[in-house]
Amino acid sequence: AQSVAQPEDQVNVAEGNPLTVKCTYSVSGNPYLFWYVQYPNRGLQFLLKYITGDNLVKGSYGFEAEFNKSQTSFHLKKPSALVSDSALYFCAVRITGANNLFFGTGTRLTVIP
Amino acid sequence: DGGITQSPKYLFRKEGQNVTLSCEQNLNHDAMYWYRQDPGQGLRLIYYSQIVNDFQKGDIAEGYSVSREKKESFPLTVTSAQKNPTAFYLCASSATTGVVGTDTQYFGPGTRLTVL
Repeated sequence: AQSVAQPEDQVNVAEGNPLTVKCTYSVSGNPYLFWYVQYPNRGLQFLLKYITGDNLVKGSYGFEAEFNKSQTSFHLKKPSALVSDSALYFCAVRITGANNLFFGTGTRLTVIP
Repeated sequence: DGGITQSPKYLFRKEGQNVTLSCEQNLNHDAMYWYRQDPGQGLRLIYYSQIVNDFQKGDIAEGYSVSREKKESFPLTVTSAQKNPTAFYLCASSATTGVVGTDTQYFGPGTRLTVL
């Protein structure tokens, strides 16, 4: 069975500070990992994904994520947070041959001016 | 939200009524998906379609139906059999290239359904 955990419902960070949104996963095969962001009453916007290769993945709006196979994690990071980064962030996982994308429950990021 | 449109943005329904949510994409994607979002539960897959005239049930298909008569369109009907239909519904699409599972799903803006 596949599953994704986002252990923090809420993350607060001061503007200009680095931010981290945590994600751990559990799959029975090789994982494909995704991060999406959602603004209020909007659809999800794709940020980045890990398929294979370099463990550090760079995505949109200055975000990056590091795939750590031994810790089964895929944490989202940004060196310097902006107030406009405040939103709901979702981690998701799929495995080879699967159509289903399994989502975590989301982490609400608030960047404090 | 790219080239995926969903309508209406807000929808109100009385108990016992069926209602159809529209999803259209102009991205020439083969695959389309319907998800349901509830507070604190993330997104759950209702139905997906990899090709015209074919679709499969997701994790929570009971009380829902779909059709895929055109590549661009994947409407979702919420029937009276769905016991708790109030939710935010999101449509997505993806290009099925390469290894299955690696494609990126792109989402529409969503429809918020409220049952009165």
